Amino acid sequence: NAGVMQNPRHLVRRRGQEARLRCSPMKGHSHVYWYRQLPEEGLKFMVYLQKENIIDESGMPKERFSAEFPKEGPSILRIQQVVRGDSAAYFCASSPLQAGAHEQYFGPGTRLTVT
Amino acid sequence: AQRVTQPEKLLSVFKGAPVELKCNYSYSGSPELFWYVQYSRQRLQLLLRHISRESIKGFTADLNKGETSFHLKKPFAQEEDSAMYYCALKGREYGNKLVFGAGTILRVKS
Repeated sequence: NAGVMQNPRHLVRRRGQEARLRCSPMKGHSHVYWYRQLPEEGLKFMVYLQKENIIDESGMPKERFSAEFPKEGPSILRIQQVVRGDSAAYFCASSPLQAGAHEQYFGPGTRLTVT
Repeated sequence: AQRVTQPEKLLSVFKGAPVELKCNYSYSGSPELFWYVQYSRQRLQLLLRHISRESIKGFTADLNKGETSFHLKKPFAQEEDSAMYYCALKGREYGNKLVFGAGTILRVKS
């Protein structure tokens, strides 16, 4: 089991461009979480998805950010019209079940730099 | 509201010395508490969780509801313990999301 995969590992975008971050959960996992880590801060929850469903998006900025987890393929975090403040490390995690003590397994992260 | 506080950004100890990484939380319900660790150039991984009451790599953590703390302890630090440590909370009333502290860098010197 290769673990949670994220790509790209590093992404550079100019202000105003779009950023697409991909996350492939561990085999057998149907729940995906996205977290953002700004410099000098801890990871902050953004969104929790199941296949084809957004379960909790309470941490997502109201504008420019969206996430999906289609029936086939990876989960995508999309940031439109990026600004310098979007520069951060974006981590994806997956888990096999919604409830209970199952841990979240983290990917290596995507480091987004907006120039 | 849920909040996790790790007051130390950096903790530096000598090999063989005891280690205590502090974590305090704010949460009105029944939380689940976790410690995650990130070694250099590796991904974040779960170290231990309070409901398991286990010791991993010599580390233990006890949930103290009176003091709302979940400090991570190890009696004798080893150089390979050097890493970034994050305390995290999951509140049942708030679903599955984890709330993380800002993290503490542990440096173990020889």
